[in-house]
Amino acid sequence: EAQVTQNPRYLITVTGKKLTVTCSQNMNHEYMSWYRQDPGLGLRQIYYSMNVEVTDKGDVPEGYKVSRKEKRNFPLILESPSPNQTSLYFCASSLLGGLYQETQYFGPGTRLLVL
Amino acid sequence: GENVEQHPSTLSVQEGDSAVIKCTYSDSASNYFPWYKQELGKRPQLIIDIRSNVGEKKDQRIAVTLNKTAKHFSLHITETQPEDSAVYFCAAPDLGAQKLVFGQGTRLTINP
Repeated sequence: EAQVTQNPRYLITVTGKKLTVTCSQNMNHEYMSWYRQDPGLGLRQIYYSMNVEVTDKGDVPEGYKVSRKEKRNFPLILESPSPNQTSLYFCASSLLGGLYQETQYFGPGTRLLVL
Repeated sequence: GENVEQHPSTLSVQEGDSAVIKCTYSDSASNYFPWYKQELGKRPQLIIDIRSNVGEKKDQRIAVTLNKTAKHFSLHITETQPEDSAVYFCAAPDLGAQKLVFGQGTRLTINP
């Protein structure tokens, strides 16, 4: 089944404790992206990747890191989480992305609480 | 870059009535306008999209209209049903930044 997966789905952590949220897609998509969803603010892009080893900042990149060593995986890293990073996170992918107008496929989401 | 404004933030309609959600965008070069539906506790999923070479597109009970002159587009849902209750997001491309910019979302509630 073609899909985007994320793990973990739920995470409670404490300030400063490094964490990684994994994202994987099996559709051979070039473009992958991370969003955070907060009430009243919609979906805001954190980072995106056009291809392997190519990543770039989105609208709210502060406090996050990403890597794209393989086409299928795009992990989101919080080196030192803070309470303002409490949010619902979505990974998404599309075939080519960029200037190509395509459907984005979202993962199931990761709900993060930073105490 | 592109700026997308979505209204209303919440919308409540009686089952069977119609619902309309509106979005405005800032970049006149934008040429692709998708709508995503997010049911409670689930991921956003594309329900319909429109490209700038057409003014309207329909898919059963949902339709999207585009006014390029005024730079706004709308989602229309007719004969609403309980399963239409969800958060709806519009989006438009930021062609310079190579990404989609999403609206703030509309929580639609269908009352029985």
